[in-house]
Amino acid sequence: DIQMTQSPPSLSASVGDRVTITCRAGQSISNFLNWYQQKPGQAPKLLIYAASTLQSGVPSRFSGSGSGTDFTLTINSLQPEDFATYYCQQSYTTPRTFGQGTKVEIK
Amino acid sequence: EVQLVESGGGLIQPGGSLRLSCAASGFTVSGNYMNWVRQAPGKGLEWVSVIYSGSGTYYADSVKGRFSISRDNSKNTLYLQMNSLRDEDTAVYYCAREIPSGIVGPIYVMDVWGQGTTVTVSS
Repeated sequence: DIQMTQSPPSLSASVGDRVTITCRAGQSISNFLNWYQQKPGQAPKLLIYAASTLQSGVPSRFSGSGSGTDFTLTINSLQPEDFATYYCQQSYTTPRTFGQGTKVEIK
Repeated sequence: EVQLVESGGGLIQPGGSLRLSCAASGFTVSGNYMNWVRQAPGKGLEWVSVIYSGSGTYYADSVKGRFSISRDNSKNTLYLQMNSLRDEDTAVYYCAREIPSGIVGPIYVMDVWGQGTTVTVSS
């Protein structure tokens, strides 16, 4: 199984801040990397796929980058609705595996 | 409208069985990869199982031999039969459609999720 490791586990930020979350795969997964956002009591929502492609309807302040084993999710100018938990997930192979999540909290 | 609606969760004693259902609308379960993903209380997402459009199935090691994924094409519904339940199976269970993103690979994404159904295993 491919292990996905996210950092940090949580962070505190203010509205307007730039936030960066990293995800590392246990082996090279090319760009087979997706990002999901989950708010309390809700199902996950697809944000970014193929490491850097924004899902339709997702604001352009979200961006992703990386390839191989190291990936980054960046949120520019954090908005109140962005406070949530973010997960990376590899779709390179089965079983699909998720990172442990990064909770973005209000400072 | 493309939608998934789970049902069948509840409180069950250790060792018991439960069957979860996931009713799809707006697309066919038979034509897509369909997954079950769970989330234990306060924890992250854990992939559980997938059934491919060609009917192949895979399971996480943690549920292999105890859980079984299937679908009823006439009802356009996905199922997860859970046997020999353990305390650690307590979670919200989500079904999710997985489709090719259009990016060369192809790179698959879980683009539609249900609202989840809660399974509590406790005596």
